Amino acid sequence: DVVMTQSPLSLPVTLGQPASISCRSSQSLVSSDGYTYLNWFQQRPGQSPRRLIYKVSNRDSGVPDRFSGSGSGTDFTLTINRVEADDVGVYYCMQGTHWPWTFGQGTKVEIK
Amino acid sequence: EVQLVESGGGLIQPGGSLRLSCAASGLNVNSNYMSWVRQAPGKGLEWVSIIYAGGGTYYVDSVKGRFTISRDNSKNTLYLQMNSLRAEDTAVYYCARGGSNGPSSWGQGTLVTVSS
Repeated sequence: DVVMTQSPLSLPVTLGQPASISCRSSQSLVSSDGYTYLNWFQQRPGQSPRRLIYKVSNRDSGVPDRFSGSGSGTDFTLTINRVEADDVGVYYCMQGTHWPWTFGQGTKVEIK
Repeated sequence: EVQLVESGGGLIQPGGSLRLSCAASGLNVNSNYMSWVRQAPGKGLEWVSIIYAGGGTYYVDSVKGRFTISRDNSKNTLYLQMNSLRAEDTAVYYCARGGSNGPSSWGQGTLVTVSS
């Protein structure tokens, strides 16, 4: 199975400051169709997960443009510009290239 | 608006069986990739199974041979039949719509607790 490794696992941030989460895969996530199926999810406390980003850098409808995704191959990053209180929660990367699709361990974002 | 409502969770003894249901509205389960994703208490997310629009199914190795995903188009409902349950199957089970791009819609989840 493809192992997804996130860092850091805990990320204390100051309101209004940027934050970045790294996600590395044990294999390339470039699919035979040419797409890279690396996705990002947010899970606020007590809620179901919510997709933020799909195929590396495509933001879902309704997701603030403070969230952006980048990367290629095996190295990916989720960046939050100007963290707000509403951004507190756990963030997961997920690969959809190789079955079984797998998630990272999660990064807990909290406000300092 | 898409809504996914899971039911059927509960406390079950090891070796027992449960069937989870996911009633869908705002989408047709037979024309979407539909999945079950679980989350053990205090832990991360694990994709359990998917059923493609064409009917093909996939399972994570840890549930292969024990779990069966299916759908009833007339009821617009997704199911997960879980047999030979183990303590390590204890989790919140989410019904979700989506495939390789990751689920774009999630239910609220139903808790399955396997314990004697």
